[in-house]
Amino acid sequence: DAMVIQNPRYQVTQFGKPVTLSCSQTLNHNVMYWYQQKSSQAPKLLFHYYDKDFNNEADTPDNFQSRRPNTSFCFLDIRSPGLGDAAMYLCATSSLGFGYSPLHFGNGTRLTVT
Amino acid sequence: EDKVVQSPLSLVVHEGDTVTLNCSYEVTNFRSLLWYKQEKKAPTFLFMLTSSGIEKKSGRLSSILDKKELSSILNITATQTGDSAIYLCAGTETSGSRLTFGEGTQLTVNP
Repeated sequence: DAMVIQNPRYQVTQFGKPVTLSCSQTLNHNVMYWYQQKSSQAPKLLFHYYDKDFNNEADTPDNFQSRRPNTSFCFLDIRSPGLGDAAMYLCATSSLGFGYSPLHFGNGTRLTVT
Repeated sequence: EDKVVQSPLSLVVHEGDTVTLNCSYEVTNFRSLLWYKQEKKAPTFLFMLTSSGIEKKSGRLSSILDKKELSSILNITATQTGDSAIYLCAGTETSGSRLTFGEGTQLTVNP
């Protein structure tokens, strides 16, 4: 089945130790998104790629970076994780931009920072 | 700043009940409203509503958009325990560059 796959499902990292979360998709969608979702809160958009065009949200900390080496893969790099970065990180794709086609989410990576 | 508000924030019902979840939005240059169901994992897509007054149905779930009232409702009839989840709505605008989520409604269906 075509899908959005995130690895790993659970990630534990130490305070300040860089971590990379990965997302792959077999949907051949143009747009890929990274969301951060903390407990009992709505998902918060960090950034998205429309093809190779990178779009950063104004309030996304510099600590968060992203790479999209090809259509299928997208990575979220957290350069120096803090305790406040513990959250569920959701990757999503869509064939068109927001509002023109629905987002398809991966199962998420739950990040713990010790 | 765009804003999406959902109510109630939580709801507990018994199996077989019918529930209505509400979503109101303030989105500049509104394009569409989306509903998602989130269990203990990622949100799964339910509906995308663009036109006012046209009901979308999928089994026991249905949803409708009211652009005049800037709101949408999600109805679930004959609820089952498997309907227990957080239901998220999100609004998008015409440029396609932004999607704003509400805080979600936590629905619990007891047997």
